[in-house]
Amino acid sequence: GENVEQHPSTLSVQEGDSAVIKCTYSDSASNYFPWYKQELGKRPQLIIDIRSNVGEKKDQRIAVTLNKTAKHFSLHITETQPEDSAVYFCAASINSGYALNFGKGTSLLVTP
Amino acid sequence: EADIYQTPRYLVIGTGKKITLECSQTMGHDKMYWYQQDPGMELHLIHYSYGVNSTEKGDLSSESTVSRIRTEHFPLTLESARPSHTSQYLCASSREDTQYFGPGTRLTVL
Repeated sequence: GENVEQHPSTLSVQEGDSAVIKCTYSDSASNYFPWYKQELGKRPQLIIDIRSNVGEKKDQRIAVTLNKTAKHFSLHITETQPEDSAVYFCAASINSGYALNFGKGTSLLVTP
Repeated sequence: EADIYQTPRYLVIGTGKKITLECSQTMGHDKMYWYQQDPGMELHLIHYSYGVNSTEKGDLSSESTVSRIRTEHFPLTLESARPSHTSQYLCASSREDTQYFGPGTRLTVL
């Protein structure tokens, strides 16, 4: 299927710093881009999403930006806290449907 | 409470066995999905369904089948389990594009 590339694979930041995770996709028909957080042993939880008619979306400390021309989108977490430590996955819709292709994940560690 | 349920949560079986992983949701969603995920790794789409009697294959579908006879139920069947099937299987559902995940079934094939 179409690829979703995610970088970095691991990210370590100090509490209070910002964290940025970047994804690129290849399917020009993709129109929905969610981000999931998965804690150890838990199910993935949606933290924010963006649709192709919007360039940026923010929810408290979390923001997502989308550049459709360049086919990339990014997750920004400000004022990081230890409880933000988890694996984060980006995803892109397959064609303009509802199924998703996921990135390989970014393991984020926030140290006090 | 509206949720997505998966049974069993853990399963250890021998090679060659036929198994069915159950997924049910009380979210009232039309669309359901199966993913395979090794711990902390990428989610691979196996099958999906946009409604009753509608199923589609993902990239990892060749060794499994699904059925969608009822809106709330989407079972996944492995006809002959192999050690390479050892993984976690996650079921998800959505009303439109936002997917919600079940707790997963952790499968070990000996």
